Amino acid sequence: AQSVTQPDIHITVSEGASLELRCNYSYGATPYLFWYVQSPGQGLQLLLKYFSGDTLVQGIKGFEAEFKRSQSSFNLRKPSVHWSDAAEYFCAVVPYSGAGSYQLTFGKGTKLSVIP
Amino acid sequence: DAGVIQSPRHEVTEMGQEVTLRCKPISGHDYLFWYRQTMMRGLELLIYFNNNVPIDDSGMPEDRFSAKMPNASFSTLKIQPSEPRDSAVYFCASSLGGGEKLFFGSGTQLSVL
Repeated sequence: AQSVTQPDIHITVSEGASLELRCNYSYGATPYLFWYVQSPGQGLQLLLKYFSGDTLVQGIKGFEAEFKRSQSSFNLRKPSVHWSDAAEYFCAVVPYSGAGSYQLTFGKGTKLSVIP
Repeated sequence: DAGVIQSPRHEVTEMGQEVTLRCKPISGHDYLFWYRQTMMRGLELLIYFNNNVPIDDSGMPEDRFSAKMPNASFSTLKIQPSEPRDSAVYFCASSLGGGEKLFFGSGTQLSVL
């Protein structure tokens, strides 16, 4: 069964600093990969996704992620963090089935705190 | 569109009581998912529907949990009887065409005393 690992439970960065959140997956083939963000008291919102093609994916809010097959990783990055980015970030995986129906498996999440 | 609407936002109940959580998906979406979020286990998929039909309920923890989708605009998740270990945030999400992009509701915070 596929699994998703987010090694960092909590990360604190200063506003304006760069950010990288790690995500590793375990799956035989290349799955579909996603990053979602959850603000306090809210549901999850899709930041970006990777299905195929260019391994560097651009998302909303200035985020990007890079798929590295050799490392089974899909790390999320942002060059300059804003205070409003403080939230919890979830990496998710869907095994490619080609059947048109998907079941996301989420990592445990990384909580991001931003110091003014 | 108002997005995925869940009710209630907060539910506090006593052990043994029946709990019903409600969800209105985004109009036109054909998939509906119920997730449970806890500190220990993270986000877990409980069940999902396609065109109102339950497709996979293997994530439903026990027979105490049941979910229905009587029409395209409404779904319920019922727990009977409830237990303290059911305390969690329950999310409903909907999508068009599967899991490519899920739209989540704001969740129901359930506390079972």
